[in-house]
Amino acid sequence: DAKTTQPPSMDCAEGRAANLPCNHSTISGNEYVYWYRQIHSQGPQYIIHGLKNNETNEMASLIITEDRKSSTLILPHATLRDTAVYYCIVRSRSYNTDKLIFGTGTRLQVFP
Amino acid sequence: DADVTQTPRNRITKTGKRIMLECSQTKGHDRMYWYRQDPGLGLRLIYYSFDVKDINKGEISDGYSVSRQAQAKFSLSLESAIPNQTALYFCATSSGGGSYEQYFGPGTRLTVT
Repeated sequence: DAKTTQPPSMDCAEGRAANLPCNHSTISGNEYVYWYRQIHSQGPQYIIHGLKNNETNEMASLIITEDRKSSTLILPHATLRDTAVYYCIVRSRSYNTDKLIFGTGTRLQVFP
Repeated sequence: DADVTQTPRNRITKTGKRIMLECSQTKGHDRMYWYRQDPGLGLRLIYYSFDVKDINKGEISDGYSVSRQAQAKFSLSLESAIPNQTALYFCATSSGGGSYEQYFGPGTRLTVT
């Protein structure tokens, strides 16, 4: 699975958009980009995933560059409850390889 | 009720003791996983099971064993606990077969003194 690089921490004002970057320059053609978050030592929570098209759901948007070497998770209107560690994970989605390999993630602090 | 439950939620034990952490799920998923998390680090995979008869080692399986008693139950054992196994342990499930989402339990905080 491709290695990912994320900034260790970021701040965001409440109500503003939080843009969390992820670099995955060695991603291969069959690998997806996944985002999970972990709020204060709770179990990680799935947010969104994508292959090459931009994706949006009720939690966030995922923007993947055309060369797929980087992506950005966007929380459009951050709230205090979005304070968490966000993990960007790249892996293939075949039958026998649905293991998740976590890095250290980005600690997002949303302030009032 | 939670879809993935873990017991105990907190445990303090002594070096050399055998301890079992239990995980149960009501999601009907075939695949279950055990991860550990050390302070300031991401999760690391210990063991995973794709069905009741399938058990696989993860990246850090030494010192651990597992048992898949049923589709809904997956237990992690430390045969002889040591202090560097002090960590936060998470169980997770997925439906697999291309599914993109793993569902995590609330975690077990284990301290080995």
